[in-house]
Amino acid sequence: DAGVIQSPRHEVTEMGQEVTLRCKPISGHDYLFWYRQTMMRGLELLIYFNNNVPIDDSGMPEDRFSAKMPNASFSTLKIQPSEPRDSAVYFCASSFSRMNTEAFFGQGTRLTVV
Amino acid sequence: GNSVTQMEGPVTLSEEAFLTINCTYTATGYPSLFWYVQYPGEGLQLLLKATKADDKGSNKGFEATYRKETTSFHLEKGSVQVSDSAVYFCALSEGGDTDKLIFGTGTRLQVFP
Repeated sequence: DAGVIQSPRHEVTEMGQEVTLRCKPISGHDYLFWYRQTMMRGLELLIYFNNNVPIDDSGMPEDRFSAKMPNASFSTLKIQPSEPRDSAVYFCASSFSRMNTEAFFGQGTRLTVV
Repeated sequence: GNSVTQMEGPVTLSEEAFLTINCTYTATGYPSLFWYVQYPGEGLQLLLKATKADDKGSNKGFEATYRKETTSFHLEKGSVQVSDSAVYFCALSEGGDTDKLIFGTGTRLQVFP
């Protein structure tokens, strides 16, 4: 398996534009997580899904952020409208539905909002 | 709620020095504990884990022991290499049905030749 695949690797956009980040989890994994990493706040869990259903979105910072998982092999994180303070590295991770299992991370999308 | 506290970095060492990165946790149940490593420009990778008290996780010369009495999971390596330079994250899993990982803030390690 190629691992968790995220796209794009880098995104530069202007303030106010819509941004969509994409993730393909490892086949067979039924948990999917979206994290945001910044120097100031470290690694924050934004939302996670189990069997394509959002379980906990309490980490989503504002209504400008939304995430979907239309099927087991694809998820999106959308920011609309984007703001400079959204600049960060966004990671997607997936894992099996077992207790205490390892999460596998993608390489991340570095988002810069100017 | 559950949380993880790590020592602040950066930790700067010479090659072959002994490494300790402290990690303590707060949890209501019996979590599993993990160390993840992030190399420059990459995502996080699992380094080692321990699922119950007194378990020792080990990988690539790194070790950490799950100490329930001190709620700690300190990362150690006897002799670091330049290639170990990275950011290290301590994490706990709430277990149960959630598999939700809670991360510490990360500790940057810099090893110089």
